[in-house]
Amino acid sequence: ETGVTQSPTHLIKTRGQQVTLRCSSQSGHNTVSWYQQALGQGPQFIFQYYREEENGRGNFPPRFSGLQFPNYSSELNVNALELDDSALYLCASSATGESYEKLFFGSGTQLSVL
Amino acid sequence: DAKTTQPNSMESNEEEPVHLPCNHSTISGTDYIHWYRQLPSQGPEYVIHGLTSNVNNRMASLAIAEDRKSSTLILHRATLRDAAVYYCILRDGRYGQNFVFGPGTRLSVLP
Repeated sequence: ETGVTQSPTHLIKTRGQQVTLRCSSQSGHNTVSWYQQALGQGPQFIFQYYREEENGRGNFPPRFSGLQFPNYSSELNVNALELDDSALYLCASSATGESYEKLFFGSGTQLSVL
Repeated sequence: DAKTTQPNSMESNEEEPVHLPCNHSTISGTDYIHWYRQLPSQGPEYVIHGLTSNVNNRMASLAIAEDRKSSTLILHRATLRDAAVYYCILRDGRYGQNFVFGPGTRLSVLP
């Protein structure tokens, strides 16, 4: 059973650019959630995808968008990058529908916006 | 979302028990209590969860107050590897609710 993997591990972009982050879910999981974690803070929920449909969204602007693919892998896209977007981006997969939904996190992508 | 309150930081000696408190006075009847921890340079990992009764697993124990307004995560013998940020999270047991993380408690373990 493979765990949640994220790529790339680190990324440097400049303000105004666009970025795509990728996540491979744990085998058998049908739900993926994305979180943003600023330095010294807890993860903040961005959105969740269940069976390729957005299934909940946190307080993030539309320039944060996502996709989930038939194999349940996922992408997070951020357009028009701002300096405040510098953070650790975490992907978590889970199996919605089981008696207890436990999140399995990847190690994250560290994004720096200059 | 129901809120939790945790101390910013705690310190423990290696091989001693650690009690990490969490207050959640506005908890509702359908809220489960979850604990995750985040080791340095890693994503959070599941520790334990419960609803009303105390729970034990290989990692820790969860003691839930009778009125459910507070809970305590117990690490029976702290190791250096237990140094992490510990998050106490309330999540409605109904389908589709997301996990809301607060700032957590940073646990330091001294050798």
